[in-house]
Amino acid sequence: EVQLVESGGGLVQPGGSLRLSCAASGFTFSSYWMSWVRQAPGKGLEWVANIKQDGSEKYYVDSVKGRFTISRDNAKNSLYLQMNSLRAEDTAVYYCAAPSSSWSRPYYYGMDVWGQGTTVTVSS
Amino acid sequence: QSALTQPASVSGSPGQSITISCTGTSSDVGGYNYVSWYQQHPGKAPKLMIYEVSNRPSGVPDRFSGSKSGNTASLTISGLQAEDEADYYCSSYTSSSTLGGVFGTGTKVTVL
Repeated sequence: EVQLVESGGGLVQPGGSLRLSCAASGFTFSSYWMSWVRQAPGKGLEWVANIKQDGSEKYYVDSVKGRFTISRDNAKNSLYLQMNSLRAEDTAVYYCAAPSSSWSRPYYYGMDVWGQGTTVTVSS
Repeated sequence: QSALTQPASVSGSPGQSITISCTGTSSDVGGYNYVSWYQQHPGKAPKLMIYEVSNRPSGVPDRFSGSKSGNTASLTISGLQAEDEADYYCSSYTSSSTLGGVFGTGTKVTVL
């Protein structure tokens, strides 16, 4: 079964750090671009970051540049999001997602594999 | 990295057809055929319903169809059913940012 499982969310104070993980199974993880997408409470989806199959290309939404780092370990079939200098506006459910076609960028053919999401709350 | 514009809500009775619009610019929706649509039920992850403007992944009912004209993409649900009540988001490739992808503002579909 194709599956993504996120973990690592929780309550953190403003200015703090958190590392999210996403464990992939059931598909050849190393062949896929991967993405993080977030959704603030009661709000819409926001694309956060993308990473290429070998980790050589990483892209971020402007609001997290310099604070968040996306990475992956293909040997462990895992995707990560290191979040530093967290702000209240980073409070959201964070999803990892994979595109429907291997070797294609995630915004070309859509993302058809999603995790269940992990909740990050930034509050004092 | 501005979000694509969708109506906040659309409603219809069972069996009717509804259409959700997604308006962007020539840098995203209008310039490329890389528009996707997602369905999201409360508390659940998004589900891909349409990709490349009008293609349906396997398992998606043919009641769902997509199209595009100029800078506006559309998702049409024909023969509306109760289980179609959900939030819908469009997404597109954008040349305006290195991130490459942008979502729409989202539309709440209510089945009356």
